[in-house]
Amino acid sequence: GAVVSQHPSRVICKSGTSVKIECRSLDFQATTMFWYRQFPKQSLMLMATSNEGSKATYEQGVEKDKFLINHASLTLSTLTVTSAHPEDSSFYICSARPGNTYEQYFGPGTRLTVT
Amino acid sequence: GQNIDQPTEMTATEGAIVQINCTYQTSGFNGLFWYQQHAGEAPTFLSYNVLDGLEEKGRFSSFLSRSKGYSYLLLKELQMKDSASYLCAWAISGGYNKLIFGAGTRLAVHP
Repeated sequence: GAVVSQHPSRVICKSGTSVKIECRSLDFQATTMFWYRQFPKQSLMLMATSNEGSKATYEQGVEKDKFLINHASLTLSTLTVTSAHPEDSSFYICSARPGNTYEQYFGPGTRLTVT
Repeated sequence: GQNIDQPTEMTATEGAIVQINCTYQTSGFNGLFWYQQHAGEAPTFLSYNVLDGLEEKGRFSSFLSRSKGYSYLLLKELQMKDSASYLCAWAISGGYNKLIFGAGTRLAVHP
């Protein structure tokens, strides 16, 4: 149990375009999902906390107008990178937390390359 | 600030034991997680400590001292496949119990 999927696993886009990444909890309901970004040889940096039916909470330094998060249901959260630039190239990972537990289950990640 | 520190790199020999230490800020603490991450993959859960003491799970054990803001992950009978990054993460109380990750410790296991 506790499986989280992400789609797509890899995406290459041109500078200035937008990219949407989906995160789904497959066998549980997740009121809270988290979005992380990870640059090579660095740790996970929390970008935002996504809650079903409410606005996402962004970490300091993360532009909410550039990284749009929508948590439309208890099993789906999406991250849209708007007007992507090469510096946005990174590994984006989501996680989902069932109910009131502390443990987070991670998706397999999405490798974004902006050319 | 929200600080969590762990060594950057470690090396060990196959079959040996290695201990990876982690120190964290003690305010607003709601538990300490350890994750394993292979290159290019998402982290996988190893352990969760919220009370002081040692939690053992097969070859992996995790220890926590809340008063000292200190944890360690102990890996026994090392195998080549244990070569990975090990991430220590501190759960912050309040809000949505988000995790603050350390920079990770890259462990290289050699024959």
